[in-house]
Amino acid sequence: GAGVSQSPSNKVTEKGKDVELRCDPISGHTALYWYRQRLGQGLEFLIYFQGNSAPDKSGLPSDRFSAERTGESVSTLTIQRTQQEDSAVYLCASSLQGASRYTEAFFGQGTRLTVV
Amino acid sequence: AQSVTQLGSHVSVSEGALVLLRCNYSSSVPPYLFWYVQYPNQGLQLLLKYTTGATLVKGINGFEAEFKKSETSFHLTKPSAHMSDAAEYFCAVSGYTGNQFYFGTGTSLTVIP
Repeated sequence: GAGVSQSPSNKVTEKGKDVELRCDPISGHTALYWYRQRLGQGLEFLIYFQGNSAPDKSGLPSDRFSAERTGESVSTLTIQRTQQEDSAVYLCASSLQGASRYTEAFFGQGTRLTVV
Repeated sequence: AQSVTQLGSHVSVSEGALVLLRCNYSSSVPPYLFWYVQYPNQGLQLLLKYTTGATLVKGINGFEAEFKKSETSFHLTKPSAHMSDAAEYFCAVSGYTGNQFYFGTGTSLTVIP
């Protein structure tokens, strides 16, 4: 596709429910990142996928968070038993190569998650 | 380890005035540096980047930034602010090690007519 696509754009869920967020990276991009952006704050790294290597999960805040990526395509971020503090914009980005290869990241529009 | 500090969470300038947004980085390896802009309810868009070579880099919409290794800085400037420049600006760093881009906390730019 022309850019990084995320769905849904908005999601309202009840506390305790599970949610699944989807990201379609730019075709041919081997690296994929998930970031979280709380209201008025910067970007918080969550997870990184690079090709077929084991993902870097060092930013996931708790075991309620998990993510998968199929090959070098779609990724899903799953949040189980959502809490109000999970409310944020979840941004997905992809890059041609990894962050260590001086390529920039291209971002999707984000999914705004509201837990009520 | 890498990190970015953006001085000033809010900056206001008059239309036509100089825009200066500050970014200082910390990196144990030669850094790659980026400026992104975020308009309301949108994702981040790359303004410009420094990887190697010329230390003064020009980006879109008339913005430029200069990499100063001695000052560990990568400040963003634009000679004349336009109303359409009002947005959130993020500085980011990566390097030839590591698996992520490290972002600053952002600077909200307001342009006063």
